[in-house]
Amino acid sequence: DQQVKQNSPSLSVQEGRISILNCDYTNSMFDYFLWYKKYPAEGPTFLISISSIKDKNEDGRFTVFLNKSAKHLSLHIVPSQPGDSAVYFCAASKNNFNKFYFGSGTKLNVKP
Amino acid sequence: NAGVTQTPKFRILKIGQSMTLQCAQDMNHNYMYWYRQDPGMGLKLIYYSVGAGITDKGEVPNGYNVSRSTTEDFPLRLELAAPSQTSVYFCASSYGGSTGNTIYFGEGSWLTVV
Repeated sequence: DQQVKQNSPSLSVQEGRISILNCDYTNSMFDYFLWYKKYPAEGPTFLISISSIKDKNEDGRFTVFLNKSAKHLSLHIVPSQPGDSAVYFCAASKNNFNKFYFGSGTKLNVKP
Repeated sequence: NAGVTQTPKFRILKIGQSMTLQCAQDMNHNYMYWYRQDPGMGLKLIYYSVGAGITDKGEVPNGYNVSRSTTEDFPLRLELAAPSQTSVYFCASSYGGSTGNTIYFGEGSWLTVV
């Protein structure tokens, strides 16, 4: 039972354009969300997070949007760079922060 | 600052063998986790710990055991390895229990059971 879903296994974007990665969740108790970036043969690294009290959080080129009514979040990367090519995972947790549930990932390819 | 360190990085096991994946963190984090990632799948939580002496099951605990005798170490034991345990294993840690929490991952351990 996948509580966090990333329905697009891959995304290809031209350098300089916007990349939009989507994530849906089913558990309305989730109130904290994170995005991770993973290069091959490395562990995931933290990118950006958002609490359910917000609907937007921005950090440089990365912005995460949260739509609680739709149980949907998205990560926007503007402008996209070739170095952004990686697998991106979204993750969610409930208020105890003990467990993080991950999506299956979206592989982003940014073409020069 | 080493962060989260996992050993070994690669291992091939025969069916029925046992082994321990080691994990250590030097960030004084209370929470530690073990995840596995199967091809094309997300990270599934195997076990987690909220402090020394306290462990709990995650989503896929069957076939594994853990212990947490110190804050720094969180080994994962595979008993009677099966082909279904072929996966990439990630250890992680976090401060835990507060808004703004993030988890930090090790580089992964690739395990093949043949």
